[in-house]
Amino acid sequence: AQSVTQLGSHVSVSEGALVLLRCNYSSSVPPYLFWYVQYPNQGLQLLLKYTSAATLVKGINGFEAEFKKSETSFHLTKPSAHMRDAAEYFCAVTGYGNNRLAFGKGNQVVVIP
Amino acid sequence: SQTIHQWPATLVQPVGSPLSLECTVEGTSNPNLYWYRQAAGRGLQLLFYSVGIGQISSEVPQNLSASRPQDRQFILSSKKLLLSDSGFYLCAWSYSTGRNTEAFFGQGTRLTVV
Repeated sequence: AQSVTQLGSHVSVSEGALVLLRCNYSSSVPPYLFWYVQYPNQGLQLLLKYTSAATLVKGINGFEAEFKKSETSFHLTKPSAHMRDAAEYFCAVTGYGNNRLAFGKGNQVVVIP
Repeated sequence: SQTIHQWPATLVQPVGSPLSLECTVEGTSNPNLYWYRQAAGRGLQLLFYSVGIGQISSEVPQNLSASRPQDRQFILSSKKLLLSDSGFYLCAWSYSTGRNTEAFFGQGTRLTVV
């Protein structure tokens, strides 16, 4: 079985500052990892994914994440926060042969002007 | 291109009334289909998933049921709603060809049971 942990339900960041959202995973098989973003009352949109190719993954809206097997982590970063980045962010994991994604509890990001 | 449609967007239902939420996918065949529920501060809980017509797996015991009458149609139902069924319901699909790809989500249904 797979699972992910996202600490800190609410994250506040100043506009222009670094955005860092942490995700640690647990998987008994090689993992596939994803970050999603959700705007209020909408579905989830994929930001980026790791599928065993390059460990540094670039996504949409200037976000990137790095897969670190030794740390079982897949942290999400963006160098400079923008007001439009205010949303909820979810990390998710699945494993080879598994049809289901396991999601973390999410991080609500607030951007302070 | 593939699209997923989920309706209605919002729904207010009295306790004890029935429920039917529908989800359809276009532009792909034999997708895996999923129903999630999202409650504040709890992330996404997988309720049901389906790998084919008539094949439904339930992840958690609850007051809800799911059906897949057609390849690209997934329905979430209840005979009698409870207050605790309130939440944001999301339908999703993924490829079923052995690739571990992401899930693609609908816009969700906000259900309020009163």
